[in-house]
Amino acid sequence: QVQLQESGPGLVRPSETLSLTCTVSGDSITTYYWSWLRQPPGKGLEWLGYIYHTGSTTYKPSLNGRITISAEPSKNQFSLRLTSVTAADTAVYYCARVRANWGRYFDFWGQGALVTVSS
Amino acid sequence: DIQMTQSPLSLSASVGDRVTITCRATGSIDTYLSWYQQKPGKAPKLLIHSASSLQSGVPSRFSGSGSGTEFTLTISSLQPDDFATYYCQQTVGTPLTFGGGTKVEIK
Repeated sequence: QVQLQESGPGLVRPSETLSLTCTVSGDSITTYYWSWLRQPPGKGLEWLGYIYHTGSTTYKPSLNGRITISAEPSKNQFSLRLTSVTAADTAVYYCARVRANWGRYFDFWGQGALVTVSS
Repeated sequence: DIQMTQSPLSLSASVGDRVTITCRATGSIDTYLSWYQQKPGKAPKLLIHSASSLQSGVPSRFSGSGSGTEFTLTISSLQPDDFATYYCQQTVGTPLTFGGGTKVEIK
């Protein structure tokens, strides 16, 4: 069974960088695509970006270059960096495995990590 | 960007009811659509992909249909475990986008 687990600071100050890591077990990140999504409290789901095992990435354009997703195959982890955060970046952040056989959809998810942006 | 609109925003139903949720896309997405179920405090769970393909392990009371711009998720006989929020997602265009969600509540 594939399992994903997010980890990282739960509190980030405004203008600083949000960093999260997703540790994958039960599968290798050298297969499939791997993605980050988020959900502000009480709101809907937002896709942020994904990475392929080759290192190729695709990001949501409206993040305006603030996002970086990277992978560390030796640790079976991939990571999210989001710079210059504001209160609008407060959300539960999810990592997920991407299936790409017919479009891009998410079949396994982490439990989520709440990140609050506040001074 | 392809925008996804779900209706209704919420509904109240009883155990055993047939429930239908609609999702509309602002442009044609063929059958590039998935449905998820989310319970409070939990991650979303994939129910259906490719508009009508049931994900492994999902009960057969869930079904999906549609193509182009209009899609439906149907629960044939609502069970207590089905009270949750449901999201559609278009899987073809970047950025990948979700509908706003439909909350299914107990009547």
